[in-house]
Amino acid sequence: AQSVTQLGSHVSVSEGALVLLRCNYSSSVPPYLFWYVQYPNQGLQLLLKYTTGATLVKGINGFEAEFKKSETSFHLTKPSAHMSDAAEYFCAVSERDNNDMRFGAGTRLTVKP
Amino acid sequence: DAGVIQSPRHEVTEMGQEVTLRCKPISGHNSLFWYRQTMMRGLELLIYFNNNVPIDDSGMPEDRFSAKMPNASFSTLKIQPSEPRDSAVYFCASSLLRGDNEKLFFGSGTQLSVL
Repeated sequence: AQSVTQLGSHVSVSEGALVLLRCNYSSSVPPYLFWYVQYPNQGLQLLLKYTTGATLVKGINGFEAEFKKSETSFHLTKPSAHMSDAAEYFCAVSERDNNDMRFGAGTRLTVKP
Repeated sequence: DAGVIQSPRHEVTEMGQEVTLRCKPISGHNSLFWYRQTMMRGLELLIYFNNNVPIDDSGMPEDRFSAKMPNASFSTLKIQPSEPRDSAVYFCASSLLRGDNEKLFFGSGTQLSVL
């Protein structure tokens, strides 16, 4: 079955600094890859997803992620962090032939003024 | 559409009591998922349904947990009897089955505390 590993349960950056959240996946077939964000006391919202085509995917709020098959990675980046980006971020993978989505453990992003 | 609706928003109960969590998926969606979120384990898939049929319940912790989807617009997750270690946030999500536009829509979750 597919799985996801998120490196770093907690990442802290200064406002205006680069955000890099790491995600590596395992899948026996070409995967669908997702990043979700969870703000305090809320459900999860989709940031971006990769299904087919261009490997650099742009999402909401200035985030983007690049699918690198050779590295089995799907790291999330944002050039300049904003205070409102503070949240929990989840990477997820599903396989194309089923509807079973697996999530990583999550990375809590803290943005310092 | 109002999105995925979960109730109750918060539930506090005593050990041994039965707990029922409810979910209304987005109209037209034919897949429904139950997830549990804890600090220790993160987000875990408990069970998912396609067209009201349970497809994979391997994530259900034990027999105390059961889930039903009697129709396309309603699902329940029941814990009987509840235990303190069941305390977590339980999320329901729905999506359209397969296709290139696969995307999960999550409810706001039910915060369960078992004392």
